[in-house]
Amino acid sequence: QSALAQPASVSGSPGQSITISCTGTSSDVGGYNYVSWYQQHPGKAPKVMIYDVNNRPSGVSSRFSGSKSGNTASLTISGLQAEDEADYYCSSYTSSRTRVFGGGTKLTVL
Amino acid sequence: QVQLQESGPGLVKPSETLSLTCTVSGDSVSTYYWSWIRQPPGKGLEWIGYIHHSGSSNYNPSLKSRVTISVDTSKNQFSLNLSSVTAADTAVYYCARYAPSAKYLDYWGQGTLVTVSS
Repeated sequence: QSALAQPASVSGSPGQSITISCTGTSSDVGGYNYVSWYQQHPGKAPKVMIYDVNNRPSGVSSRFSGSKSGNTASLTISGLQAEDEADYYCSSYTSSRTRVFGGGTKLTVL
Repeated sequence: QVQLQESGPGLVKPSETLSLTCTVSGDSVSTYYWSWIRQPPGKGLEWIGYIHHSGSSNYNPSLKSRVTISVDTSKNQFSLNLSSVTAADTAVYYCARYAPSAKYLDYWGQGTLVTVSS
């Protein structure tokens, strides 16, 4: 299975909004509403920010939102804050009942 | 509070088998699904596979021939064995729990670095 495609990096200024895309196929992202997004700070374990395309776990800021269109899912962070600077990974359930991650996107808050 | 802790050798020789254990507290491995994920230094996450206490498991096709994940309900642990390792298997290995829906990972261990070198 191939990794889902994400941009290597995105950046934004405090207060702005950014969107990270995650492109797969009809056998993963496009076929199921089981896309999740993880935030990872350096040296730390990943933390789930969005699950099932657009649901936020308890405790995650409402500034984080998710969506999906066809084979591409997106994570939007509004009102950027310095603490949002991290690596972000998407993940999807697949038709083989496995899971696949995206290559990761480094978010820089300018 | 659910907590997971990886343990095992930090150094493995090429061609040998990498073995790690994840000890779970605050939950029972007899519930839900449990997974291993790895991250080579400076690179992205790679899903390795999952196990259910019933014995149901599934693995990354690219690793399937070398991977076994097992569960020990008496010790509340699950384990990873990866055979015939090479330098490409050097990574931080994480254990994690799937949420009840089994579609996303809600609790993670802190990770353990395993280096493959002679």
